[in-house]
Amino acid sequence: KQEVTQIPAALSVPEGENLVLNCSFTDSAIYNLQWFRQDPGKGLTSLLLIQSSQREQTSGRLNASLDKSSGRSTLYIAASQPGDSATYLCAVGTTGFQKLVFGTGTRLLVSP
Amino acid sequence: GAGVSQSPSNKVTEKGKDVELRCDPISGHTALYWYRQSLGQGLEFLIYFQGNSAPDKSGLPSDRFSAERTGGSVSTLTIQRTQQEDSAVYLCASSLWLPGQGRLSEQFFGPGTRLTVL
Repeated sequence: KQEVTQIPAALSVPEGENLVLNCSFTDSAIYNLQWFRQDPGKGLTSLLLIQSSQREQTSGRLNASLDKSSGRSTLYIAASQPGDSATYLCAVGTTGFQKLVFGTGTRLLVSP
Repeated sequence: GAGVSQSPSNKVTEKGKDVELRCDPISGHTALYWYRQSLGQGLEFLIYFQGNSAPDKSGLPSDRFSAERTGGSVSTLTIQRTQQEDSAVYLCASSLWLPGQGRLSEQFFGPGTRLTVL
């Protein structure tokens, strides 16, 4: 059974810092991996999708990497801003139809 | 363009009553998913629909839960004889088949329905 863990559970940083969020999964036979952000009381916003054949994806200040063999993904956020404050979730797609198994989330607070 | 919409946004019900939650996926998206987010369990998969194929119901927690998708678009999640442990946020997502790439797109989520069972 696929299990997804995210470290740290919570992170508080001053504005402008670069930061790394970690995601690990137990079964390397994944189809893809998706990073989301969730704002309080809101649904999920997709940030990046990495296919199993890819090593990384970039969007603006965000960069996500994937190392299937070690069961890890990282989300790098450059020059953090208060608007980045949210909960970040990684989710592993376990089959071709992307049934997602979610991690426990990292709650990020960026202070001005 | 319109995203995934869900209704109602909030639902309070009494234990033992039936509830129906609705999801309108993004137009043209062939795949539709239901997830549940609760404090104790995090975010968990419930059911998946893709085109005319039989749905994958492997995540439904009990036979009190059922879902249907009519006309390949709108979906309804029904919970019968609600229990307090059913209290959670129910999220719907949809994704698009990308024929040129032979895969589904990322999943787009709706705002969720917060269900409270008293």
